[in-house]
Amino acid sequence: DTAVSQTPKYLVTQMGNDKSIKCEQNLGHDTMYWYKQDSKKFLKIMFSYNNKELIINETVPNRFSPKSPDKAHLNLHINSLELGDSAVYFCASSTSGGVGPDTQYFGPGTRLTVL
Amino acid sequence: RKEVEQDPGPFNVPEGATVAFNCTYSNSASQSFFWYRQDCRKEPKLLMSVYSSGNEDGRFTAQLNRASQYISLLIRDSKLSDSATYLCVHKAAGNKLTFGGGTRVLVKP
Repeated sequence: DTAVSQTPKYLVTQMGNDKSIKCEQNLGHDTMYWYKQDSKKFLKIMFSYNNKELIINETVPNRFSPKSPDKAHLNLHINSLELGDSAVYFCASSTSGGVGPDTQYFGPGTRLTVL
Repeated sequence: RKEVEQDPGPFNVPEGATVAFNCTYSNSASQSFFWYRQDCRKEPKLLMSVYSSGNEDGRFTAQLNRASQYISLLIRDSKLSDSATYLCVHKAAGNKLTFGGGTRVLVKP
């Protein structure tokens, strides 16, 4: 029973292409997140959605567009991929959007390689 | 200055030994602190929350020093399975987690 799942696990694509990564959680959480972990292993938040509403939007190029069709799903679409987009993208979810020290549960990650 | 800074290591630890490492943070308004563990090519997982009074979970002890703005993690009786990267995390308003770059621990027989 996977709690937070992401597809695909690996994604290799050419520069300039458009790609999407999907995330689903079956924990009943109302907040979901996208993180990027670069080659230096720094994990940085990109976006956060609470009940389908955007609540955190860090300084991310607008080629990245998150979409939350419902509170169990948060997808990430990336336009015009660049070499610097190569990284591992993690989806996460938690119970609340800012109240209390709740735990964030991470998906297994999507390793994106842009050639 | 990064918001959360950690010694990247690696800390090479003999099995059964004790290892401790710190993490400094710059945002004095940080509300909550955590240690996450990340195995190679895996997702981060919560190891423990860090409370002002210090807390212990089995062989792991976490401390928070607000005056000096650092948190620490101590691992006693290290096991081979403790080999991982330990991520220091603080939470500010809006449930935004800020991660340190991680401290790599290698436990050797």
